Amino acid sequence: DAGITQSPRHKVTETGTPVTLRCHQTENHRYMYWYRQDPGHGLRLIHYSYGVKDTDKGEVSDGYSVSRSKTEDFLLTLESATSSQTSVYFCAISEPGATLDTQYFGPGTRLTVL
Amino acid sequence: GESVGLHLPTLSVQEGDNSIINCAYSNSASDYFIWYKQESGKGPQFIIDIRSNMDKRQGQRVTVLLNKTVKHLSLQIAATQPGDSAVYFCAENAPTDSWGKLQFGAGTQVVVTP
Repeated sequence: DAGITQSPRHKVTETGTPVTLRCHQTENHRYMYWYRQDPGHGLRLIHYSYGVKDTDKGEVSDGYSVSRSKTEDFLLTLESATSSQTSVYFCAISEPGATLDTQYFGPGTRLTVL
Repeated sequence: GESVGLHLPTLSVQEGDNSIINCAYSNSASDYFIWYKQESGKGPQFIIDIRSNMDKRQGQRVTVLLNKTVKHLSLQIAATQPGDSAVYFCAENAPTDSWGKLQFGAGTQVVVTP
């Protein structure tokens, strides 16, 4: 998984509770991404980061926030989880340059919101 | 990428045969394409990529073909093995001002039968 770990790998939570997912990389890549994957949909971008403290929204960012205080860590927070946020969440990394577009993925976090 | 219904298209292939997985992409400006393999419970794994200035690229047991005229991408797997059973999906990159953003298809389920 290209030196990417995600934690937790599985989580069950209740509606209205805050949840934070962590992505950690050992590749020193500048770009990091959070996606969600749902049946019938391709991977959809939630937020991405292009450096420490530099983040921006993706196509499905409502209800999510992110933070990146260190190159190696990218956190995804659900401030108040809803059942529609039940999904599998993937972190990805890429490196600027010729291979900027090639994203490498972590193992995923399966989140269930009851 | 394209979105399909809840059930992914399925390709059943006999072990030892060649597999061909197809993908129709949406943006004629896309200039970079990637094929990913995703096994059950795992993150997507990079297989092979191709840029729009090429129409064919070969890897180990895999070949990607690009037809820009009809916006079609295919992945050929030679001598399919049981370990090739997975969901395969394509991703396209349409250049933007500052960075490449990938659009993902929903995927094709490949089932290898003995």
